[in-house]
Amino acid sequence: AQSVTQPDIHITVSEGASLELRCNYSYGATPYLFWYVQSPGQGLQLLLKYFSGDTLVQGIKGFEAEFKRSQSSFNLRKPSVHWSDAAEYFCAVGETSYDKVIFGPGTSLSVIP
Amino acid sequence: EADIYQTPRYLVIGTGKKITLECSQTMGHDKMYWYQQDPGMELHLIHYSYGVNSTEKGDLSSESTVSRIRTEHFPLTLESARPSHTSQYLCASSEVVDTGELFFGEGSRLTVL
Repeated sequence: AQSVTQPDIHITVSEGASLELRCNYSYGATPYLFWYVQSPGQGLQLLLKYFSGDTLVQGIKGFEAEFKRSQSSFNLRKPSVHWSDAAEYFCAVGETSYDKVIFGPGTSLSVIP
Repeated sequence: EADIYQTPRYLVIGTGKKITLECSQTMGHDKMYWYQQDPGMELHLIHYSYGVNSTEKGDLSSESTVSRIRTEHFPLTLESARPSHTSQYLCASSEVVDTGELFFGEGSRLTVL
């Protein structure tokens, strides 16, 4: 069965610092991978996705993620964090048919001014 | 801009009441989903639908039921609410053949006293 782990429950960074959120997945084949962001009181918004091809994908709001098959990882990065990036971040994996998307437990990001 | 709406946003009710959470989307998406989001923010798929007259149970067992009579509408019903049903419920939709992106509503936060 598919599973997604996000080892960090909560991360605090200073504004302007770099950020890396970790995501590991368990899946037999190459999965479809996603990062979503949830601001307080809101639904989830897609940041970026990986299906195939270039293993470094660019997303919205200056985020990027790198797929590493050997490590079963899909870590999210941002070179310089803004206070508005404080939110919950969810890594997700989808089956080939897109029937279901399984979400990780989420990482809560706090940004110190 | 995603067009998926959930009502009510917040609901506080007593034990034993019947409730229906509404979800509507104007994008013509065939696939729709209900996720339950725990207080710890983890998301669990409880129901999904491939289209009109199609409903499937998700990975997390739920006492709720859903219906899909119209493409744009995917309501969730609890016949007799209990405190254990207290949670946030997120509705989402996606196209059948697309990039796999889920579009989320803002959620319905249910509190059962």
